[in-house]
Amino acid sequence: EAGVAQSPRYKIIEKRQSVAFWCNPISGHATLYWYQQILGQGPKLLIQFQNNGVVDDSQLPKDRFSAERLKGVDSTLKIQPAKLEDSAVYLCASSLTLGGRGETQYFGPGTRLLVL
Amino acid sequence: EDQVTQSPEALRLQEGESSSLNCSYTVSGLRGLFWYRQDPGKGPEFLFTLYSAGEEKEKERLKATLTKKESFLHITAPKPEDSATYLCAVQAEYGGSQGNLIFGKGTKLSVKP
Repeated sequence: EAGVAQSPRYKIIEKRQSVAFWCNPISGHATLYWYQQILGQGPKLLIQFQNNGVVDDSQLPKDRFSAERLKGVDSTLKIQPAKLEDSAVYLCASSLTLGGRGETQYFGPGTRLLVL
Repeated sequence: EDQVTQSPEALRLQEGESSSLNCSYTVSGLRGLFWYRQDPGKGPEFLFTLYSAGEEKEKERLKATLTKKESFLHITAPKPEDSATYLCAVQAEYGGSQGNLIFGKGTKLSVKP
């Protein structure tokens, strides 16, 4: 079974530029999550989708971050404009259903973003 | 506020030297406690889910246990390939969004041959 796919794996941009990340979840997984992991920290949830609807985006900085999941499969996360503090690893995860007891989230390899 | 604290931040062991990692948590009802392993440059890899106090799970040299306030990840006779960052996360029963995992900062384990 193929895992969660993410691209690109690495990205270096100047501050105030725009960047987009792509995620393809495990086939059949209804729920998709985007996390931000700053160096030395644990992942922090940015946004959560159930199929193509947003379940929770309370921690997404909406003035600069946006995300969509068209057709309930692939998802893109965009930052526009980027700030220095956005340098982090952006992880995508998926789970079979929405928050069922002990529902396991499976993570992709992440996209490492460096903002100069 | 739901919170997860892991200790120590870093742990250096000699090969074969057993030890434990700690995960303390405060949560408004525990739906599940998760342990993940993260290698450098990779995403977290799922290890265990624990649901209730007294529960234990094992996988090779790893054993996870759970009490009402904390979880331990015991590593027996570790090998260099066990070197990684171990992340603990909780899923709350009440409040917040369903499925949301709250992670600790992790414990970076180094096992020297």
